[in-house]
Amino acid sequence: DGGITQSPKYLFRKEGQNVTLSCEQNLNHDAMYWYRQDPGQGLRLIYYSQIVNDFQKGDIAEGYSVSREKKESFPLTVTSAQKNPTAFYLCASRDQGIFGKAFFGQGTRLTVV
Amino acid sequence: AQSVTQLGSHVSVSEGALVLLRCNYSSSVPPYLFWYVQYPNQGLQLLLKYTTGATLVKGINGFEAEFKKSETSFHLTKPSAHMSDAAEYFCAVSDKIPQGAQKLVFGQGTRLTINP
Repeated sequence: DGGITQSPKYLFRKEGQNVTLSCEQNLNHDAMYWYRQDPGQGLRLIYYSQIVNDFQKGDIAEGYSVSREKKESFPLTVTSAQKNPTAFYLCASRDQGIFGKAFFGQGTRLTVV
Repeated sequence: AQSVTQLGSHVSVSEGALVLLRCNYSSSVPPYLFWYVQYPNQGLQLLLKYTTGATLVKGINGFEAEFKKSETSFHLTKPSAHMSDAAEYFCAVSDKIPQGAQKLVFGQGTRLTINP
């Protein structure tokens, strides 16, 4: 079955460490997105990518980095520069047809202690 | 820049009552509009979408939404709430530019509670 997979589901890290969240899709979608979800703030866009080897900053990119070396993969690194990294992170990929439906992964809950 | 505002972070209705979740958007051109549902600790699932054509859009699980250009609104409704509808609902807007990166912007979310 086609889909989008995020791993791991739960992640714990010590403060000051970088951590990378995985996102893989086999839907052959060109566009991929990373969102951060905090209570009462909805989903805020961190980074997005339209094609391989290209990505753009979203609304809250500071303290995060991404790469898009393969169409299927869009990993997100939460760096030590991110002031408040504990959150629920959602990855999405999207059709490029006119209907633009987005498919979401199950999310990764990152807790920094 | 496009934006989405969902009125009411929490909505509570009785089982069998009408569900109304409000969404207003800001866009310089008519956008694509979406409603997504999120169950606890899961990703988002698409409920319905508006692209072009008929302004009343029917989705899954008995939900529907009406695009009103004059009001820049895309409110989500369901005639009769079920306990299984309890979840968080997100309205989203996307630009229509076919080329180039397309941002998908979400509202703050509305948590729907169903009372027995």
